[in-house]
Amino acid sequence: AQKVTQAQTEISVVEKEDVTLDCVYETRDTTYYLFWYKQPPSGELVFLIRRNSFDEQNEISGRYSWNFQKSTSSFNFTITASQVVDSAVYFCALTFTGTASKLTFGTGTRLQVTL
Amino acid sequence: GAVVSQHPSRVICKSGTSVKIECRSLDFQATTMFWYRQFPKKSLMLMATSNEGSKATYEQGVEKDKFLINHASLTLSTLTVTSAHPEDSSFYICSARMGVNSNQPQHFGDGTRLSIL
Repeated sequence: AQKVTQAQTEISVVEKEDVTLDCVYETRDTTYYLFWYKQPPSGELVFLIRRNSFDEQNEISGRYSWNFQKSTSSFNFTITASQVVDSAVYFCALTFTGTASKLTFGTGTRLQVTL
Repeated sequence: GAVVSQHPSRVICKSGTSVKIECRSLDFQATTMFWYRQFPKKSLMLMATSNEGSKATYEQGVEKDKFLINHASLTLSTLTVTSAHPEDSSFYICSARMGVNSNQPQHFGDGTRLSIL
């Protein structure tokens, strides 16, 4: 069975602060994929990143960076110099390989960035 | 790229009405589409997976006769909530994936907020 845990239910920061969203996962599969999605107040989910289990390189995209640590089964997401537009619910998700696999979502972390 | 359009965005209707929600992949062929339901401040709950040209696979506890899914083409899937009741009120989101391999990300529609009076 797969499980994704996002222990932080809500985080509130002031603009320009850095913030890290935690994601811990459980799976018995050796090959799997991890994703982060953003859900702004308007409702649509926006794909942010995909990482496969064999690639532990950290990734940076603008103000966003991801830290994948297979040893601790974590895939954390950091926003540097947060902005009000970053306010959203962020979901971490996991899937294994195979045509029948489905995304297992975490419960989400609501990020509120204020001025 | 990878745009998914979902329509309508909001529906308000009387109890007993059937409601059809469309999900279209606009710039790619979606072999697999997914339908989710999301309650306020909750995560997404997968309802069913549909592959083009075949019957949908429903998750445990989801009524097939209540939530009819059709995936007739590589760019269109529909979810029909039959004889909707107030407890069916929710936010329904579809997603589409290129190919059948799970390593491809799912791209989501904007969601449909369904309110049954």
